[in-house]
Amino acid sequence: GQQLNQSPQSMFIQEGEDVSMNCTSSSIFNTWLWYKQDPGEGPVLLIALYKAGELTSNGRLTAQFGITRKDSFLNISASIPSDVGIYFCAGSTGANSKLTFGKGITLSVRP
Amino acid sequence: GAGVSQSPRYKVAKRGQDVALRCDPISGHVSLFWYQQALGQGPEFLTYFQNEAQLDKSGLPSDRFFAERPEGSVSTLKIQRTQQEDSAVYLCASSLVRESPLHFGNGTRLTVT
Repeated sequence: GQQLNQSPQSMFIQEGEDVSMNCTSSSIFNTWLWYKQDPGEGPVLLIALYKAGELTSNGRLTAQFGITRKDSFLNISASIPSDVGIYFCAGSTGANSKLTFGKGITLSVRP
Repeated sequence: GAGVSQSPRYKVAKRGQDVALRCDPISGHVSLFWYQQALGQGPEFLTYFQNEAQLDKSGLPSDRFFAERPEGSVSTLKIQRTQQEDSAVYLCASSLVRESPLHFGNGTRLTVT
């Protein structure tokens, strides 16, 4: 099925560094969301974006809904070891919240 | 409980066997979704319920897959005559209303041997 584009597949950063992740699509979405998944667990919602151009923060996380509605980015500032995990972007076109996910980016944080 | 609960956590089935996966959504949540997550991939939509009504089953990969939510709360995903390609983590998610963000369970990891 259709998936959003996330790359690279893996990122390695030093503790304390900032990291930015991008997500792109060939289709327009009306809602963008960012989830984090730890091994053996389900995805946990980090940030939800509902309006083109919207910039939203949640603690050390900041995400933006692209103006074209075909992309979004997530920024993590001052990374810490517990930021390790897989980060998924997801988009929704309709009100029933059926989501299309990217393949995810695995983030590793070196202490 | 406070979150979406799925059981069993792990299921090993022999090819050809039928399996049933259970989801207990957050109490009061109207919307319920099933997703399939293959290894190294993002979740892919299977089906959606609003209360007891199955409004979208466009993601079910074959007629061997069947989902129900008869009383608008607990849902069961059934896979008949399992095949090796059915091996994946099956995630259930619920939301208060259909526009609300989804809350996922920890999934059932199905391995078909």
